[in-house]
Amino acid sequence: GDSVTQMEGPVTLSEEAFLTINCTYTATGYPSLFWYVQYPGEGLQLLLKATKADDKGSNKGFEATYRKETTSFHLEKGSVQVSDSAVYFCALSDRNSGGSNYKLTFGKGTLLTVNP
Amino acid sequence: EAGVAQSPRYKIIEKRQSVAFWCNPISGHATLYWYQQILGQGPKLLIQFQNNGVVDDSQLPKDRFSAERLKGVDSTLKIQPAKLEDSAVYLCASSRTPLSGNTIYFGEGSWLTVV
Repeated sequence: GDSVTQMEGPVTLSEEAFLTINCTYTATGYPSLFWYVQYPGEGLQLLLKATKADDKGSNKGFEATYRKETTSFHLEKGSVQVSDSAVYFCALSDRNSGGSNYKLTFGKGTLLTVNP
Repeated sequence: EAGVAQSPRYKIIEKRQSVAFWCNPISGHATLYWYQQILGQGPKLLIQFQNNGVVDDSQLPKDRFSAERLKGVDSTLKIQPAKLEDSAVYLCASSRTPLSGNTIYFGEGSWLTVV
């Protein structure tokens, strides 16, 4: 079945440091890939997405490139801020058991803490 | 545009009691999802509706969980009887269509503690 593997957290960085959160996936079809973010006490929010190979999703300074050859979708940001502290989830969208609809499969999440 | 609304936000119940969660998706969204997020894990799909029909409930523990979306808009998720391992955040989400690449929008979640 489909699965998503993220790097283990927690990740602790100083402000303005470079961030990478690794994500690899296994899927039977040709999935779309997503990064969701969950700020403390809030629901999941879409951060960025990519729907085909070599697409780069970007938002709020975060980027991730859909790499089909390595089945990866690593999240990067050049300079993190304290306000980026949150849990980050990698996810893929692939056909569900019924075959006609798509569902999201999530990784376990990576907690990021950015210190001033 | 209003987001996905869920209630209650927090609930504490004793094991073997019952609980119900309500969700109102974004207006016009035909697809509705219920996810379970246990602490330290990623969300897991429990059930997916397309309008008022179920398209995937393969991971729903049907001996204790039930869900409905009678008029194709609001949805209710019920747990009866609750077990300790049901302690989790129950996330409702919706999307305009169930197509790949379509953005799925999540509510803030209903936090359940079973004691």
